[in-house]
Amino acid sequence: RKEVEQDPGPFNVPEGATVAFNCTYSNSASQSFFWYRQDCRKEPKLLMSVYSSGNEDGRFTAQLNRASQYISLLIRDSKLSDSATYLCVVIVYGGSQGNLIFGKGTKLSVKP
Amino acid sequence: EAGVTQFPSHSVIEKGQTVTLRCDPISGHDNLYWYRRVMGKEIKFLLHFVKESKQDESGMPNNRFLAERTGGTYSTLKVQPAELEDSGVYFCASSQYRDRKPMTQYFGPGTRLLVL
Repeated sequence: RKEVEQDPGPFNVPEGATVAFNCTYSNSASQSFFWYRQDCRKEPKLLMSVYSSGNEDGRFTAQLNRASQYISLLIRDSKLSDSATYLCVVIVYGGSQGNLIFGKGTKLSVKP
Repeated sequence: EAGVTQFPSHSVIEKGQTVTLRCDPISGHDNLYWYRRVMGKEIKFLLHFVKESKQDESGMPNNRFLAERTGGTYSTLKVQPAELEDSGVYFCASSQYRDRKPMTQYFGPGTRLLVL
């Protein structure tokens, strides 16, 4: 079983749509959670951290359910510039001292 | 402030040759990580330096890979001899510490390695 699993997509949505991505992680000792964004042939960039209480950054809302080991990302009012691959990422602290564990990513394509 | 830089951006070599990748982290970042993305797979951790010391190299695939960070500044990752399955994108990332935990990792643009 993969450590972090995501639906690879692609998600093809029109501008203005609301789209939700889900992610599950296998290690219950995971302690930190993130969504990264990766544009085509570019490096991953941190989009937002994810907290149990849920957190929002403009049009983006992230949620964590530790009991179900499930992370979500909601994008409202999609823009063309949101087209990218969204990577679900966790950290298990301890011996590994903070290395990131990535999912394969979910590809989003926002169309006019 | 300059971001993480990597050199070269692309490298095409033949099987059996040696390639050395370089990463310059953000100035002042003690943590330096190497990751790799093989085609069709997720990005995977290779190793982690804290200053010049290897904190964790559990992700290194085999002894053909050698990473160094002399002086605790830039790092090199050497593949010798390269094999076909080493092809992929090699990312470097760096971060600071706060409260004894690594902070946000900033990634370099990656080196695209193709082994023929």
